[in-house]
Amino acid sequence: ETGVTQTPRHLVMGMTNKKSLKCEQHLGHNAMYWYKQSAKKPLELMFVYNFKEQTENNSVPSRFSPECPNSSHLFLHLHTLQPEDSALYLCASSQDPSGGYEQYFGPGTRLTVT
Amino acid sequence: GQNIDQPTEMTATEGAIVQINCTYQTSGFNGLFWYQQHAGEAPTFLSYNVLDGLEEKGRFSSFLSRSKGYSYLLLKELQMKDSASYLCAVKDSNYQLIWGAGTKLIIKP
Repeated sequence: ETGVTQTPRHLVMGMTNKKSLKCEQHLGHNAMYWYKQSAKKPLELMFVYNFKEQTENNSVPSRFSPECPNSSHLFLHLHTLQPEDSALYLCASSQDPSGGYEQYFGPGTRLTVT
Repeated sequence: GQNIDQPTEMTATEGAIVQINCTYQTSGFNGLFWYQQHAGEAPTFLSYNVLDGLEEKGRFSSFLSRSKGYSYLLLKELQMKDSASYLCAVKDSNYQLIWGAGTKLIIKP
């Protein structure tokens, strides 16, 4: 496989469930990102990892818990979510968070919280 | 606060030219990016500007004026497949990407 992959592509969960989103990049990049995309709103950066170390946490509620076991894999653990958390969750990777390196995005997980 | 402004929606005709504007107010500047996002798909990189001027890449060009906090994306010889959302994003002083809400471009035959 090439590029950035995400699983699952679609997820419906109740507010009391626990689920995890998975992201894998096959580009040899050092940095990985989680974004939230809601309709007609700008992409919201949630977390940044560089060389497996978390470098950004943009005031994300604790019901979202990231995990980066190595530079190729990124998880987002979800628990006791709210209906307003329903959105498209995008994973991205890049060579380095600084400089002019573009980010490569996965296809996203469409999350619906019921 | 930090802000990226771009029109919500634009309509253009197949074969024509369209210019999508982006203005920004950010704490610091470390480059401006344009991405294309088709409905239901991931954003894909189009262009990067860090110095003033025009960058040309085939049918797409991107312009930057740092003093004006302004950029535009120019699409020539429009094709139906160019119907998509176009996202403007700026890297701030912390190298975080600040995103605009995107411009939905509708191409009519």
